[in-house]
Amino acid sequence: AQSVSQHNHHVILSEAASLELGCNYSYGGTVNLFWYVQYPGQHLQLLLKYFSGDPLVKGIKGFEAEFIKSKFSFNLRKPSVQWSDTAEYFCAVSPLSGTYKYIFGTGTRLKVLA
Amino acid sequence: NAGVMQNPRHLVRRRGQEARLRCSPMKGHSHVYWYRQLPEEGLKFMVYLQKENIIDESGMPKERFSAEFPKEGPSILRIQQVVRGDSAAYFCASLGLAGDNEQFFGPGTRLTVL
Repeated sequence: AQSVSQHNHHVILSEAASLELGCNYSYGGTVNLFWYVQYPGQHLQLLLKYFSGDPLVKGIKGFEAEFIKSKFSFNLRKPSVQWSDTAEYFCAVSPLSGTYKYIFGTGTRLKVLA
Repeated sequence: NAGVMQNPRHLVRRRGQEARLRCSPMKGHSHVYWYRQLPEEGLKFMVYLQKENIIDESGMPKERFSAEFPKEGPSILRIQQVVRGDSAAYFCASLGLAGDNEQFFGPGTRLTVL
């Protein structure tokens, strides 16, 4: 079955620390990949997406992610986090076949200490 | 450009009542997906509809849940005889063309069952 794993469920960092959130998926075919952020009480906001081309993609708010096809991974990174990055982060995968539905990871709650 | 709209944003129902959640896709979009986010969990696919057709309902509970996307008007997710376990955030997303594969999410409806 297709699945997405986010191994870090809760992460606590101090401001200015570097961030890396892991995302691994299980699907043998071609996929599109996404990272979303959900601030408390708010809806999903797209951070970045990968469709094709350069596997290092840059998104909003200083986030970037690298697609490593051989490892089925799409890790999210930010060199220096801010208190305002406190939120929940979701990785999503969409197989390019069938109904294009998204398969989401269970999310990572990030808390940044001021 | 109006994004994906959902209403109501918050819905409170007592056990046994019916809940109707509405989703208006982005202008020109004819594909709608519904996802459910249970507390402390990621989003789970429920159903995928095109105008007047249910394409994939593999994520829908077998009973009490139904969805439609009529030729005119919004997509409706209907939950009959709600139970406490139905309390969740329900998100819809729309897609213009299947090949685009970037879904645009609405703000969600938070259903609380008392």
